[in-house]
Amino acid sequence: DAGVIQSPRHEVTEMGQEVTLRCKPISGHNSLFWYRQTMMRGLELLIYFNNNVPIDDSGMPEDRFSAKMPNASFSTLKIQPSEPRDSAVYFCASSLGPGGFSWNTEAFFGQGTRLTVV
Amino acid sequence: AQSVSQHNHHVILSEAASLELGCNYSYGGTVNLFWYVQYPGQHLQLLLKYFSGDPLVKGIKGFEAEFIKSKFSFNLRKPSVQWSDTAEYFCAVNLYGGSQGNLIFGKGTKLSVKP
Repeated sequence: DAGVIQSPRHEVTEMGQEVTLRCKPISGHNSLFWYRQTMMRGLELLIYFNNNVPIDDSGMPEDRFSAKMPNASFSTLKIQPSEPRDSAVYFCASSLGPGGFSWNTEAFFGQGTRLTVV
Repeated sequence: AQSVSQHNHHVILSEAASLELGCNYSYGGTVNLFWYVQYPGQHLQLLLKYFSGDPLVKGIKGFEAEFIKSKFSFNLRKPSVQWSDTAEYFCAVNLYGGSQGNLIFGKGTKLSVKP
């Protein structure tokens, strides 16, 4: 398996523009997570899905952020409108388990998308 | 709120020195514990994990960690570091019975190994 695949790897956009980040989890994994990494706040869980259903989105910072998982092999994280403080590396991760980080599984991370909003 | 603390922000060692990175968590219940490593410009990779059993866990590349429940700690160790161990190391905790999926990460410790 190619692992968790994220695109794009780098994104530079102007403030106010819409940004869409994409993630393809490992085939067969039924849990998908979006994390944001910044120097100030470290790694933060934004949202996670189990069997394509959003389970916990309490980490989504604002209504400008939205995430979807239309099927088991694809998820998007959208920021509209984007702001400079959204600049960060966004990681997608997936795991196999009946619910979230199941009791005996670990998460596999994608390469991340480095977002810069100018 | 539950949290994970990594005591050192940046550790600088010479090759062959011994390494110990501290990790403490604040949660009284049952936990799963992980150490992830992030090499420069790369994604996070699992180094080792503890679910149950022997509290001394051996991972890849000669790393090990010891779970001390009474101290709420899961420190990472390596007897002799190499230049290639230069990376950022993240401790993470998954809380049994907590919000499923919320793998809580520490802020990370950057390790620089001088050749």
